[in-house]
Amino acid sequence: EVQLVESGGGLVRPGGSLRLSCAASGFTFINAWMTWVRQAPGKGLEWVGRIKSKSDGGTADYAAPVKGRFTISRDDSKTTLFLQMNSLTTEDTGMYYCSTGAYWGQGTLVTVSS
Amino acid sequence: DVVMTQSPLSLPVTLGQPASISCRSSQSLVHSDGNTYLHWFQQRPGQSPRRLIYRVSNRDSGVPDRFSGSGSGTDFTLEISRVEAEDVGVYYCMQNAHWPPWTFGQGTKVEIK
Repeated sequence: EVQLVESGGGLVRPGGSLRLSCAASGFTFINAWMTWVRQAPGKGLEWVGRIKSKSDGGTADYAAPVKGRFTISRDDSKTTLFLQMNSLTTEDTGMYYCSTGAYWGQGTLVTVSS
Repeated sequence: DVVMTQSPLSLPVTLGQPASISCRSSQSLVHSDGNTYLHWFQQRPGQSPRRLIYRVSNRDSGVPDRFSGSGSGTDFTLEISRVEAEDVGVYYCMQNAHWPPWTFGQGTKVEIK
């Protein structure tokens, strides 16, 4: 059974940083291109970024609103995906989901507030 | 970026009746590999999204056959043949034919009359 379990969310001040994790199991993580999607409260889905498998280059792409502030990485030995978020603003508040495209985690809530 | 436009944004339906959601893209979603990368997701209240349909018309495992997808180029449709209570939620179309970024429609809220 595919499982994606996000963690690391919480309350952070504007300008602060947070690192999200997504523990994956039930599929061949090393071959998977992994994605982060977020959802502001009461709003729709917004793509954050995606990282390729290492065999496909391991590079990441980002949405314009987070480029230069967020970094996606992966640890294939621990089948874990990460999202490092810096210089957070109130606009970054929301639920953050990791996904393979077909499968989604339950999400972790990030609240940016003073 | 490719803009995805869904209609209607709110869809009250009667149990057992059909429902249809339209999704239009600002450019063709046919990839250079010949596939069309348009997908549909369901998000029930308080839950994470779940993919229902991939590449226009392929149902994901476990998705009831009352859900179907169709379309081509820039115009796509998700149909529910007979709405059930568990179908209440928000439905999103999404394209990843031209990325980054993936882009989603605004969402269509399906509720029971």
